[in-house]
Amino acid sequence: GQNIDQPTEMTATEGAIVQINCTYQTSGFNGLFWYQQHAGEAPTFLSYNVLDGLEEKGRFSSFLSRSKGYSYLLLKELQMKDSASYLCAVRDLDSGAGSYQLTFGKGTKLSVIP
Amino acid sequence: ETGVTQSPTHLIKTRGQQVTLRCSSQSGHNTVSWYQQALGQGPQFIFQYYREEENGRGNFPPRFSGLQFPNYSSELNVNALELDDSALYLCASSFGKRDYEQYFGPGTRLTVT
Repeated sequence: GQNIDQPTEMTATEGAIVQINCTYQTSGFNGLFWYQQHAGEAPTFLSYNVLDGLEEKGRFSSFLSRSKGYSYLLLKELQMKDSASYLCAVRDLDSGAGSYQLTFGKGTKLSVIP
Repeated sequence: ETGVTQSPTHLIKTRGQQVTLRCSSQSGHNTVSWYQQALGQGPQFIFQYYREEENGRGNFPPRFSGLQFPNYSSELNVNALELDDSALYLCASSFGKRDYEQYFGPGTRLTVT
């Protein structure tokens, strides 16, 4: 089975930097995803890490350490529109079906304040 | 917009009833995954369909079943509805069962009373 842990809520100021952490335990790690989900909407893909290190994409960066079972999402120059839930998800291989399964954490609700 | 559509948008059912939810995948995608997202929780994997066959299943009882059609659209059927089935049901499409990027539809909000 898998266990994914991330903070429930965070608050940060417009223009600031915020780091959302995610720790996981999994039997067959095959990649870690971050999704953004605004209230009442579908998740949208932000980043994917399968190797250790930092992946940068504009204002968003994601880091992975497989040996520590740890990832973080870094959001820079926060904007009000960044207020949303951020979901950490781990993929592992279902060897029986030959397919990947995605297991999500409960999400971190980020509130950006003026 | 991802090109993935779901219907209906909202649905209210009574405990014990049956429901069918529909999903049209993005053009060119042959894999559909279904997720259940309860309020305040992350999505939970129900099952995946690849080329019309079930290809992986999460920890959901058999009363959750599905279909995928030749055009790769998909249905999720839930029998004997329970109050705890109230949730947002999301489908996500991808190309191939190992594709890392899934595109989510807007979801169907199911309320069971």
